[in-house]
Amino acid sequence: ETGVTQTPRHLVMGMTNKKSLKCEQHLGHNAMYWYKQSAKKPLELMFVYNFKEQTENNSVPSRFSPECPNSSHLFLHLHTLQPEDSALYLCASSQVYEGPGELFFGEGSRLTVL
Amino acid sequence: GQNIDQPTEMTATEGAIVQINCTYQTSGFNGLFWYQQHAGEAPTFLSYNVLDGLEEKGRFSSFLSRSKGYSYLLLKELQMKDSASYLCAVRDSNYQLIWGAGTKLIIKP
Repeated sequence: ETGVTQTPRHLVMGMTNKKSLKCEQHLGHNAMYWYKQSAKKPLELMFVYNFKEQTENNSVPSRFSPECPNSSHLFLHLHTLQPEDSALYLCASSQVYEGPGELFFGEGSRLTVL
Repeated sequence: GQNIDQPTEMTATEGAIVQINCTYQTSGFNGLFWYQQHAGEAPTFLSYNVLDGLEEKGRFSSFLSRSKGYSYLLLKELQMKDSASYLCAVRDSNYQLIWGAGTKLIIKP
């Protein structure tokens, strides 16, 4: 138990579907992140919310849309995805500007796009 | 560009010692992290180095040489449960984390 909870753990969707991934952190951290993890590739940062403001959007396609309603919750809305978007999507949180600021990850949502 | 290199896969024997290397070229340096990720699970934080030298935590140690752009993770008295992927990440001058692709460590009895 890392203090970061992601749902669903597994998701299969067609290219025309709309779905959302949810993340909740119980650690009182002030930053939350979405990462994409593909086999044998480095973690790819998608979005960062720092003090509830989106501070990074690393050229992510518009078919991925983040939402951060408060400092504890983070969503990733998915629509018209492509098969190459199939991957493990990891949510993480950290306490920035204090100590090393290490990331605490959720278990991930395994996404398969058909 | 920015780059982190670490071996793709390593094999070691239970009870032995293994060293996982990580070399980096980044725009600035604000710390290096090691994470452990078991198959199907979340990455978990292992260690943080910001100054040169060795940081020891039980069976795990992490070393950093900033002048060489080099770190290693040393695992002693290997146990079967240490079979996992080990991720190296460097925080650059913009406080962005640059990640390696991970090293899959296989422990054999």
